[in-house]
Amino acid sequence: GESVGLHLPTLSVQEGDNSIINCAYSNSASDYFIWYKQESGKGPQFIIDIRSNMDKRQGQRVTVLLNKTVKHLSLQIAATQPGDSAVYFCAALRRVNSGYSTLTFGKGTMLLVSP
Amino acid sequence: NAGVTQTPKFRVLKTGQSMTLLCAQDMNHEYMYWYRQDPGMGLRLIHYSVGEGTTAKGEVPDGYNVSRLKKQNFLLGLESAAPSQTSVYFCASSYSPIWPLAGGPRGNEQFFGPGTRLTVL
Repeated sequence: GESVGLHLPTLSVQEGDNSIINCAYSNSASDYFIWYKQESGKGPQFIIDIRSNMDKRQGQRVTVLLNKTVKHLSLQIAATQPGDSAVYFCAALRRVNSGYSTLTFGKGTMLLVSP
Repeated sequence: NAGVTQTPKFRVLKTGQSMTLLCAQDMNHEYMYWYRQDPGMGLRLIHYSVGEGTTAKGEVPDGYNVSRLKKQNFLLGLESAAPSQTSVYFCASSYSPIWPLAGGPRGNEQFFGPGTRLTVL
């Protein structure tokens, strides 16, 4: 089955720095990944996604990089702000026998941004 | 437009009691999901539904039942609560199934509710 893990449980950065959150996955057949942000006491929110036919995708202040060779993806946040403090999850697509797909989530990395 | 709502927000049960968690969405989404979130475990899929009247098991379905009698509602039931079911439960919905080719750059987006914190003593 799929397992999705994150390299660091907590990442502390200074406001204005760039942040990099890493994630590894086990199933080489995974072809779609999503990053979620979860603020304290709230449900996860979609940040950005990437398909396996891409190695990079950019959004507003965020970039996701995918390295299929080593089964690794990362989320880069530019000019990190205090409002970016949250837990970040990566999730990988898992195809089920019924023909539908579900997501397998990683354990999460807590990003702490200090002023 | 409230998005995804969950009731109740908090609940304390004794071992063996039963309860139902309600999830409602007003976005006309076909697909709905129940997850549980435990410290250090991320989110794990309990059950999901691909349409009114249909449900399927996820990664950790044991001890839970679900029903989708109306498109906008997805109910999660615990028939006999156990301390191992102490967790935060999240409901989510999406317009399309999680599929790389689903329409639009955010066609796969799952919208999450605020969560229900359940403690089983």
